[in-house]
Formats: sequence, C-alpha cells, structure tokens
Amino acid sequence: GAGVSQSPSNKVTEKGKDVELRCDPISGHTALYWYRQSLGQGLEFLIYFQGNSAPDKSGLPSDRFSAERTGGSVSTLTIQRTQQEDSAVYLCASSSPGNTIYFGEGSWLTVV
Amino acid sequence: EDKVVQSPLSLVVHEGDTVTLNCSYEVTNFRSLLWYKQEKKAPTFLFMLTSSGIEKKSGRLSSILDKKELFSILNITATQTGDSAVYLCAVTLTSGTYKYIFGTGTRLKVLA
Repeated sequence: GAGVSQSPSNKVTEKGKDVELRCDPISGHTALYWYRQSLGQGLEFLIYFQGNSAPDKSGLPSDRFSAERTGGSVSTLTIQRTQQEDSAVYLCASSSPGNTIYFGEGSWLTVV
Repeated sequence: EDKVVQSPLSLVVHEGDTVTLNCSYEVTNFRSLLWYKQEKKAPTFLFMLTSSGIEKKSGRLSSILDKKELFSILNITATQTGDSAVYLCAVTLTSGTYKYIFGTGTRLKVLA
C-alpha cells in the first residue's frame, strides 16, 4: 500500500482480556518494527522483523507480549491478559533494510 | 546501555522566533542519527545524518551532526504555529540490528 496501515486505530479493552493489533507495511518493505509510546514518553522499541523472522525481540516487556509476521508482510502484535500499564499507542513502522523507517498512524490501546 | 537524550523537554516560543533543539547520544556502533516530527500519532521523517559537519537543510529547518562530541542540533528559523509538535531524535546502530533508539522528544509550542 501507499503507507503503513494499522488497525484498529483505537481499542478499549477490559483488564485481563487479550488484544491483537495489526500492521500492514509499505509494499516491498522487508523490515518491520513495533514501538510503544506511553503518554508523554518517547518511543520504546518492542520488536524488529526482517522478513518473517524476528532477529531482535529484546524490547518485548513480558511474556504476555508476542508478535508474528507471515508472508513477509502483515504483522500482528498480541497482548495477553492485558494490564492497565499496557495502555499506550502502539506504532508500527517499516523500511527497506538500512533505509529510513516510515510509521503508521498507530493503535491507541486503553485498558480499563 | 545505549541512550539518546534530548533537551529541552519542552519549549514555548512566539511566531518568528528561532529555536535550537538538542540531541546527545551514547551508543556503541553508531550508524546514523535521524530527526522526526510528531504532531498527532505518526512521526514523520525530517533528516538523516551520518557524517559530521555536513548540514542538512529543508526550508526553515536544518540539522547538523557532531560525531566527536556525540550530538546533533535541529534548528528551526522563523517559527510558525504549524511547527508545534514533538520533535524526536533517533540513533541507529551497525551491530547487526536495525533497531532505532529514540529520545523522549522535545515538545515545541509556537504561539501566534
């Protein structure tokens, strides 16, 4: 597509429920990133994909967080048993390796 | 631990003023430094800097990198209300991952 597409744009969920956030990167971009941004904070790295593999998942904050990417394209970030501290904007970005990353509009998650 | 520090955290100026935003970094295996503008959700790319002393310029915005002193500045001249945003600095590494390490950002507000 023309840009990085994320869905849902907004999600309100109850504490303890699972959520899935989707990212559709720019066509042809093999690198895909997930970042998290809490209110008033900078961007926190979560995970990086090159193709379907994740050579760097060092930023996932706990085992409740997981991500996958299939077909070298769409990625899903799953948060199990959500907690209130998971409330944040989840930003996806993509790039050709070594080039500038381009961000999607983000998914705003609120856990109540 | 790799880190990127931006200053000031926030800044309020009047239209027409010139502002200088700072980004310092302490990382191993530096590859590049990037500036992004974040108005709502998605950060948008401004500049990528890899070499010291070479100014990048786009309209009223310019940026330069000092790899000896490990910092970069972003200048905005003749500020306008549309420049109000959070400006993010990020550093990339050469160590086998394309992870971007972001600072917490500088929140700029330009008053009419």
